[in-house]
Amino acid sequence: NAGVTQTPKFRVLKTGQSMTLLCAQDMNHEYMYWYRQDPGMGLRLIHYSVGEGTTAKGEVPDGYNVSRLKKQNFLLGLESAAPSQTSVYFCASRRGQGLYEQYFGPGTRLTVT
Amino acid sequence: KNQVEQSPQSLIILEGKNCTLQCNYTVSPFSNLRWYKQDTGRGPVSLTIMTFSENTKSNGRYTATLDADTKQSSLHITASQLSDSASYICVVSLEGITGGGNKLTFGTGTQLKVEL
Repeated sequence: NAGVTQTPKFRVLKTGQSMTLLCAQDMNHEYMYWYRQDPGMGLRLIHYSVGEGTTAKGEVPDGYNVSRLKKQNFLLGLESAAPSQTSVYFCASRRGQGLYEQYFGPGTRLTVT
Repeated sequence: KNQVEQSPQSLIILEGKNCTLQCNYTVSPFSNLRWYKQDTGRGPVSLTIMTFSENTKSNGRYTATLDADTKQSSLHITASQLSDSASYICVVSLEGITGGGNKLTFGTGTQLKVEL
């Protein structure tokens, strides 16, 4: 039982390049989330999904796209990377809303030069 | 402006000592309040989850308290260990509250270092 895994762990991009971050969970959770964590700021929600085939915008969605084609996977895409997207990205999943725990992945450190 | 404020920003204590971390929030009403532990280079891990009607919740050496009247929560760590060195994050959930959507508001965390 691996929990929540993220690929890759580190990445350096040049401005304008694109990439996809992959999140996978093996807990059969309905809800999945993408957050970014920046120094001096709390985690901020980028996009989330409440089930396979559904996605919704979070607090800071601009510049990102997501897809949830399979229940266990949640992909975060950067179409044209900008230095402002330099951050640590965390994926999380949970069984449902309310008092269910949210399980986080180990994070992806992205640097855009 | 972040509606969850934590203090202190950082704290250094000796192994074996107790400490208390503070969380003040302006979000009201809310569904539940959570405390997470985040080790350096890792994702946050849940410590406690409390509804607005609960006053205290324990998880081993970690005890969280909640005062909904003053909008304050605290996390007390007893008999600290080196492995407690981490960032501790307070999170307020608006889920189930009208207009709250799927929103969890994260504090910026208190960085705790436990030394010998």
